[in-house]
Amino acid sequence: EADIYQTPRYLVIGTGKKITLECSQTMGHDKMYWYQQDPGMELHLIHYSYGVNSTEKGDLSSESTVSRIRTEHFPLTLESARPSHTSQYLCASRTGTGNEQYFGPGTRLTVT
Amino acid sequence: EDQVTQSPEALRLQEGESSSLNCSYTVSGLRGLFWYRQDPGKGPEFLFTLYSAGEEKEKERLKATLTKKESFLHITAPKPEDSATYLCAVQAVEGGADGLTFGKGTHLIIQP
Repeated sequence: EADIYQTPRYLVIGTGKKITLECSQTMGHDKMYWYQQDPGMELHLIHYSYGVNSTEKGDLSSESTVSRIRTEHFPLTLESARPSHTSQYLCASRTGTGNEQYFGPGTRLTVT
Repeated sequence: EDQVTQSPEALRLQEGESSSLNCSYTVSGLRGLFWYRQDPGKGPEFLFTLYSAGEEKEKERLKATLTKKESFLHITAPKPEDSATYLCAVQAVEGGADGLTFGKGTHLIIQP
């Protein structure tokens, strides 16, 4: 059973605000990922990390940024939220050897 | 470009009525094919990984199979608690990001 946590679970915020979505895992996994999912649509990879101080952009262009200062922590930041950022954001992690990714519960973001 | 197409988009079954979900994929080189279950408002829950054509895996009422072009998720005598969206994803051998490419999913409803 995977232990990966995301906070907040729901966030409604006004345009122009800076927000940080938190993701943490207690499994010691090196690899972590952020996906974006709109209702009824596919998950799209927006960021990933292979370990501390490693961050890369994914397949879907995103205005968000990420950091990886500690193995267990992979926060995502939006400097200035816009209504187009409204979506569900899902964090995942996996070991260096196993291929399956384990997902957190997600953060549903609404920007008004 | 890696692509995953799932069919049908939605499926409504009576309790005990067996059926199959389809996942067709195109990928430059398949590292793994993954099945997930996603309940409303939650993150995807890992079910199976398949690596090579001919491979099969089972878990309770679910069985996943893989060919060179598609995968099937067979559901035998389903119960209402099997209602969920089932997601298929592939991971390519080559490419910069080792994130997953997802399909849109099949929304399964099991009626009592």
